[in-house]
Amino acid sequence: NAGVIQTPRHKVTGKGQEATLWCEPISGHSAVFWYRQTIVQGLEFLTYFRNQAPIDDSGMPKERFSAQMPNQSHSTLKIQSTQPQDSAVYLCASSAGQCAETLYFGSGTRLTVL
Amino acid sequence: AQSVTQPDARVTVSEGASLQLRCKYSYSGTPYLFWYVQYPRQGLQLLLKYYSGDPVVQGVNGFEAEFSKSNSSFHLRKASVHWSDSAVYFCVLSAGQGTGSKLSFGKGAKLTVSP
Repeated sequence: NAGVIQTPRHKVTGKGQEATLWCEPISGHSAVFWYRQTIVQGLEFLTYFRNQAPIDDSGMPKERFSAQMPNQSHSTLKIQSTQPQDSAVYLCASSAGQCAETLYFGSGTRLTVL
Repeated sequence: AQSVTQPDARVTVSEGASLQLRCKYSYSGTPYLFWYVQYPRQGLQLLLKYYSGDPVVQGVNGFEAEFSKSNSSFHLRKASVHWSDSAVYFCVLSAGQGTGSKLSFGKGAKLTVSP
């Protein structure tokens, strides 16, 4: 079991460019979560899928951010027209659904917007 | 509304000394509480969790935590720290069991173990 895999580990974009972050959850896990981590704000919930269906995206900025889960083996977080304030570590986590709050986190993608 | 407060953002202890990291929560219902640890350049890893029953729960690597409903607390302890325990520790609250409950994270406590 390789755990939750996030790619790339680091991504640098210029202001206004698009960034796509990938997450492969643990095989068999039914829920996938996305969080954003910064020094100032700490960990912020972005969105969550269960059985590939979007359940709660209340943490997603309404513009420029979108997330998808086209199949049970991966989820993507896309940020259009990136801004310097989007710079953060984006963490993906999955859970099995029974003890749902036991989340298994990936190592994160560090996004730097210049 | 629910929230978690970790009052000590940075903690330094000597190797071999005991450790307590404090966590206070605010929630009117039955809380589900967790401690996660984040090592440098890694994701968060579960240390231990409390759902119900014995208020003292054991975790990995000699960590334990004690739940107190009267004090709304869930403090983390270790009898003797090792240099490899240096990391950031997060106290986490869930408002309900079941997929979809949003978690409330504390701001984290950065632990440095000095030689």
